[in-house]
Amino acid sequence: EDQVTQSPEALRLQEGESSSLNCSYTVSGLRGLFWYRQDPGKGPEFLFTLYSAGEEKEKERLKATLTKKESFLHITAPKPEDSATYLCAVDGSSNTGKLIFGQGTTLQVKP
Amino acid sequence: DAGVTQSPTHLIKTRGQQVTLRCSPKSGHDTVSWYQQALGQGPQFIFQYYEEEERQRGNFPDRFSGHQFPNYSSELNVNALLLGDSALYLCASSLGLREETQYFGPGTRLLVL
Repeated sequence: EDQVTQSPEALRLQEGESSSLNCSYTVSGLRGLFWYRQDPGKGPEFLFTLYSAGEEKEKERLKATLTKKESFLHITAPKPEDSATYLCAVDGSSNTGKLIFGQGTTLQVKP
Repeated sequence: DAGVTQSPTHLIKTRGQQVTLRCSPKSGHDTVSWYQQALGQGPQFIFQYYEEEERQRGNFPDRFSGHQFPNYSSELNVNALLLGDSALYLCASSLGLREETQYFGPGTRLLVL
């Protein structure tokens, strides 16, 4: 059964303090691993899609990486506006189009 | 470029009632998926519609049903509402069944009393 686990559940950082969020997954035939950002009471906002181990993608202060068992979302010199819940999801070949989500990591960046 | 839209933004129902939620996909997209997100949890897949047919279904009872219209918009219907159905209902759209990236709407917040 496809499964996604994110850690930590919550993370508090000072502005400028870099860190990483972890997403561990088990899936039959990975078709894609996705990172989303979600603000309270709103829908998830798409950040990145990663398809194969070794792939990396960047956007402003965020960088996502992928191995065969996990993905990391690196946040460099975060700002208070980066505070949100970050969700990881996978799409496997056995359930095409059915995203399996982790429970998310809630990030708080203090000025 | 119009993104995914959902209506209503929120609503309140009582146990046993029925509810219909609506979704319009992102411009150019033809596939719609529905998710349920309980407070503090990640979204859970309900079902996916493509070419007006249900293509995939998650572990949700038959009380949850849907429809896709020729213009690709979609409805989610929930019958015999339970207190546990209170959640944020999310619609996501994508292009075909081979495009993996799904884009989400703002959601409909449902409260069942």
